[in-house]
Amino acid sequence: NAGVTQTPKFRVLKTGQSMTLLCAQDMNHEYMYWYRQDPGMGLRLIHYSVGEGTTAKGEVPDGYNVSRLKKQNFLLGLESAAPSQTSVYFCASSYPTGGSDEQFFGPGTRLTVL
Amino acid sequence: LAKTTQPISMDSYEGQEVNITCSHNNIATNDYITWYQQFPSQGPRFIIQGYKTKVTNEVASLFIPADRKSSTLSLPRVSLSDTAVYYCLVGYDDKIIFGKGTRLHILP
Repeated sequence: NAGVTQTPKFRVLKTGQSMTLLCAQDMNHEYMYWYRQDPGMGLRLIHYSVGEGTTAKGEVPDGYNVSRLKKQNFLLGLESAAPSQTSVYFCASSYPTGGSDEQFFGPGTRLTVL
Repeated sequence: LAKTTQPISMDSYEGQEVNITCSHNNIATNDYITWYQQFPSQGPRFIIQGYKTKVTNEVASLFIPADRKSSTLSLPRVSLSDTAVYYCLVGYDDKIIFGKGTRLHILP
């Protein structure tokens, strides 16, 4: 199993450009998450999904959109990138166990917005 | 959502036992306590989880007192490779928040 994979690994954008980050998991997990991590900071939740076709806002959703058309994929979109969105983006997935679920993380995408 | 407080950084030496304490005064009845480890340029990795008393696995132990308002992650006989950021999370189901974590630096 590949676990959680993220595409691309690195990207440089100019202000105002758009892009989509792809997260894929092969563990049949119901829940998927997008986080951002800035230097010296912990992870902040952007959006998450508790199942195919559903999405919900996290702590810092502004400027981002997401879609979960297939259970195994979770897309994060930036419609008009801003320098404040320069960050490392992590995707994670988990399976609901009735308690606090263990999240499995991808390797991250390093995004720079000029 | 329960807020957690943990030290910003800690230093220790190889071979020592390291204890990192996390405070979570407003933990809810359903909340679990979970610890993650993150190495530079990698995503966090699950270490251990508990609800009450003591939990032990091959990597660490987690001590939770009866009032559950704090917890302590114990790493036995650390090595240089244990240098990482350690996050304490409190929550239930999909409702968890990562704080800034504790940056643990192991010295030779």
